Amino acid sequence: GQQVMQIPQYQHVQEGEDFTTYCNSSTTLSNIQWYKQRPGGHPVFLIQLVKSGEVKKQKRLTFQFGEAKKNSSLHITATQTTDVGTYFCAGATGNQFYFGTGTSLTVIP
Amino acid sequence: DAGITQSPRYKITETGRQVTLMCHQTWSHSYMFWYRQDLGHGLRLIYYSAAADITDKGEVPDGYVVSRSKTENFPLTLESATRSQTSVYFCASSEWEERYGYTFGSGTRLTVV
Repeated sequence: GQQVMQIPQYQHVQEGEDFTTYCNSSTTLSNIQWYKQRPGGHPVFLIQLVKSGEVKKQKRLTFQFGEAKKNSSLHITATQTTDVGTYFCAGATGNQFYFGTGTSLTVIP
Repeated sequence: DAGITQSPRYKITETGRQVTLMCHQTWSHSYMFWYRQDLGHGLRLIYYSAAADITDKGEVPDGYVVSRSKTENFPLTLESATRSQTSVYFCASSEWEERYGYTFGSGTRLTVV
């Protein structure tokens, strides 16, 4: 069954608005990774979080790992049209990663 | 990412036929994976391999066979294709250290008619 749930499934925002996607697991994760997939493309690795409560930033993107290591979020500040795509989290339990179902982001110019 | 290539990019096959999807990586990554991507299901792991001659099942292995005789190649075979196997298939590889993430190929869009 699905180990990692991700919400929302779809998000439409006006260019310049912020965007957040959430990832939740029923079990404790050893680490979590985030990927971006452009329309028609393949997933591309963005970042990995390992420590409880960890926060990492990449320009306008902020990634957080929950204190209990069961949830994570990706926040994009002031979205741009180049942010369009599907964002996946992937949580590690044991020796496997379970990908979330993804959040498809549409940015309206 | 030219280091991991999948072929073919597109494939149409008939129900019941055997079809093989190819995956080749040039980095000598230890781990290789096959995922299928379907709307509403995200990426689901079919099979993975930790090294040459070592393979293991993922979430959805039924109807698929893999082999890994060489580190750089990890072909996926559908023994008798069914319409439910219509999907986009991604091959991925990674270093032993997870912090570098998975590198995905460009995918194969398979249609079973």
